[in-house]
Amino acid sequence: DVKVTQSSRYLVKRTGEKVFLECVQDMDHENMFWYRQDPGLGLRLIYFSYDVKMKEKGDIPEGYSVSREKKERFSLILESASTNQTSMYLCASSQVPQGNYGYTFGSGTRLTVV
Amino acid sequence: AQSVSQHNHHVILSEAASLELGCNYSYGGTVNLFWYVQYPGQHLQLLLKYFSGDPLVKGIKGFEAEFIKSKFSFNLRKPSVQWSDTAEYFCAVNSYNQGGKLIFGQGTELSVKP
Repeated sequence: DVKVTQSSRYLVKRTGEKVFLECVQDMDHENMFWYRQDPGLGLRLIYFSYDVKMKEKGDIPEGYSVSREKKERFSLILESASTNQTSMYLCASSQVPQGNYGYTFGSGTRLTVV
Repeated sequence: AQSVSQHNHHVILSEAASLELGCNYSYGGTVNLFWYVQYPGQHLQLLLKYFSGDPLVKGIKGFEAEFIKSKFSFNLRKPSVQWSDTAEYFCAVNSYNQGGKLIFGQGTELSVKP
């Protein structure tokens, strides 16, 4: 089975800090995605990547950036954390271009910004 | 804007009751459709998916969904729910026009009373 691992399950950061959320997948998938999950809003796409050093904005990229230096690793960066970025962050990967066969999700990182 | 809508935010049922969760999408063209489930404290798991062919799709744990193209709908059904079905359910759509992004609905929380 594909495994998507997110480095932290819970994080607490201060307003203004630079925050790195790490995601690693072990099945050589080309596609990787970052979502945030909020009650009543479902999952919203922040950024995604179809290849190394490639990135595209999702629906809510403001306040975030990403890095994909290696195929297996996709990092989400909060340049200056704010309280409205308190959320559950989910990383996902998929094998087929266009994600036709679904996505595999990590367990999530619950980030609290104080 | 293109979107995915789930009609029910919170559904409460007794065991053995029948379940139907609504999902509508607004994309044109070819789409792939998914239902994901998130049990309390666990990561998202694929319940079932539709790509083409028979519009009635069967998934795991007795769930099924019907794709009705004319109604842009992909409703999830189960004839008899169990307490263990208590979870949050997400409908998602992948459109070729959207470059393979997976777009989610707001989610429906299902509570099954024993």
